[in-house]
Amino acid sequence: GDSVTQMEGPVTLSEEAFLTINCTYTATGYPSLFWYVQYPGEGLQLLLKATKADDKGSNKGFEATYRKETTSFHLEKGSVQVSDSAVYFCALRTFSGNTPLVFGKGTRLSVIA
Amino acid sequence: DAGVIQSPRHEVTEMGQEVTLRCKPISGHDYLFWYRQTMMRGLELLIYFNNNVPIDDSGMPEDRFSAKMPNASFSTLKIQPSEPRDSAVYFCASSLGTGGYNEQFFGPGTRLTVL
Repeated sequence: GDSVTQMEGPVTLSEEAFLTINCTYTATGYPSLFWYVQYPGEGLQLLLKATKADDKGSNKGFEATYRKETTSFHLEKGSVQVSDSAVYFCALRTFSGNTPLVFGKGTRLSVIA
Repeated sequence: DAGVIQSPRHEVTEMGQEVTLRCKPISGHDYLFWYRQTMMRGLELLIYFNNNVPIDDSGMPEDRFSAKMPNASFSTLKIQPSEPRDSAVYFCASSLGTGGYNEQFFGPGTRLTVL
């Protein structure tokens, strides 16, 4: 079945450091790919998405490129801030049939000043 | 737009008691999802509905859990009887369709503690 694998956390970075959170997927067909973010005490919210190969999703300084050849959708940010501390979830959804999102296990990011 | 609304935000109960969690999806959305989040197991999909009809409940852990959606604007997740291992944060989410483009909107969650 469809699945998403994320790098395990926690990830701890200093402010202004470069961030990469790896995400790879297995899916039948051609999925859409998503990154969701969960701030402390809140629900998940969509951070960015990409719906076809080579698309780049971006939002709030975060970027991720849909790489079909490596089945990856790594999340990057050039300079993290303390306010980026959260749990980040990679997810996919296939177009075939009516299926819900398939989530990875999440990666906790802590940014220290 | 009010977003997905869940109540209560926090619930503390004793083992053996019945617990009912409530969710109001975003108006016009036709899919509703219930998730459970724990440190050990991460985010788990419990059940989801389409147009008020349960589509897949294979994630419901056992018969103590039940979910209903009597109309397009309301859903409940009930645990009876509750056990300490049910302690978790329960999220409700809704979406318009489940096609590849469609975003799921999450509620703020209900933190359940079973003593």
